[in-house]
Amino acid sequence: DIQMTQSPSSLSASVGDRVTITCQASQDIRYYLNWYQQKPGKAPKLLIYDASNLEIGVPSRFSGSGSGTDFTLTISSLQPEDIATYHCQQYDNLPWTFGQGTKVESK
Amino acid sequence: QVQLQESGPGLVKPSQTLSLTCSVSGASISSGDDYWNWIRQHPGKGLEWIGYIHHTGSTDYNPSLRSRVTISGDTSKNQFSLKVSSVTAADTAVYYCARAIMTAVTTLESWGQGTLVIVSS
Repeated sequence: DIQMTQSPSSLSASVGDRVTITCQASQDIRYYLNWYQQKPGKAPKLLIYDASNLEIGVPSRFSGSGSGTDFTLTISSLQPEDIATYHCQQYDNLPWTFGQGTKVESK
Repeated sequence: QVQLQESGPGLVKPSQTLSLTCSVSGASISSGDDYWNWIRQHPGKGLEWIGYIHHTGSTDYNPSLRSRVTISGDTSKNQFSLKVSSVTAADTAVYYCARAIMTAVTTLESWGQGTLVIVSS
């Protein structure tokens, strides 16, 4: 299985801060990586697909980059509604695997 | 808009079989390029893909669960189901059903709200 490692596991940030989350794959997954946002008690919601493509309706303050083994999710200016846990997911190989999640909290 | 809804017992005894159903509206499980998935999340942990079924009946499972898992579809009811046999406390989790679109890209683009299953005597 491809292991996905996110860092940090959690972070505290203030409204307006730039937030960066990284995701590292245990092998080359090209650009076959998605990012999901999960709010407490809710199902995950697709944010970014193919490493850098914003899903329709997702605010432009979210962006993704990377290829191969190293990927980044950036929130350019954190908003209160962005408080959530973020998950990366690879789909280069089955079984699809996820990172352990990064919890973004309000400072 | 595609909607998915999980249903099933919230409490299962150890060694028994966990059975869940996902009801789909807004899309047909019997056509298209969609794959119908089960994913679980242990309390406070990350997500684990369990497996999927395609309308052709083709399935694929996570090797870590393959010996205990069956996913099946009921096209007459537009539902698909999950069975996990010989459950233990380690199977306690929130279980989600989700639709995957697998065309030029592959995304889990619609999810159910999730259902908590506790394995306990």
